[in-house]
Amino acid sequence: DAGITQSPRYKITETGRQVTLMCHQTWSHSYMFWYRQDLGHGLRLIYYSAAADITDKGEVPDGYVVSRSKTENFPLTLESATRSQTSVYFCASSKDRGRMWAQHFGDGTRLSIL
Amino acid sequence: GDSVTQMEGPVTLSEEAFLTINCTYTATGYPSLFWYVQYPGEGLQLLLKATKADDKGSNKGFEATYRKETTSFHLEKGSVQVSDSAVYFCALRGANFGNEKLTFGTGTRLTIIP
Repeated sequence: DAGITQSPRYKITETGRQVTLMCHQTWSHSYMFWYRQDLGHGLRLIYYSAAADITDKGEVPDGYVVSRSKTENFPLTLESATRSQTSVYFCASSKDRGRMWAQHFGDGTRLSIL
Repeated sequence: GDSVTQMEGPVTLSEEAFLTINCTYTATGYPSLFWYVQYPGEGLQLLLKATKADDKGSNKGFEATYRKETTSFHLEKGSVQVSDSAVYFCALRGANFGNEKLTFGTGTRLTIIP
């Protein structure tokens, strides 16, 4: 039961570079989410996806791009990284929509932008 | 909008002590409520959930009761262990159809000393 995996676990890059964080789930869950975790803010939603080719913005989408060509993958791209995007990023998935379903999280990617 | 307020940490207890971590929320209707736990270097794991008023979620000796009248979902455990040391997040998922995101509190760091 692989669950949900994120890669890389750690990434250091420079301001202005493009970086892509990968997320893969083996449960065939419909919904997938990207959050960032920052001290004092808890977790904040960046983007989410209801199904392949359907994505929507969360609370803090600026500077990020997502795609979902396959149900199991949901990559997050920072097109031109900024220092304010230094954070821990978590991918999550949920079987279906609605408040009954919990979200299940990957182990995170710690991203540092110099 | 929806919001979650958790007690400030860090919290330090001795092994076998009684634990309470307070969580209150603001939301319209009847959201679902969750507690997640995050161990060092790992993602968030679902600890327990409750989806309607007066529901009690329980897991691994932890309990929380959904109190609509006080808009609270306090986490309790009767006798904590060193292995319970982690960061605990209270979260809600809104009742409105189409509101897919989890709203998190800022987390409470718990340390149990032998």
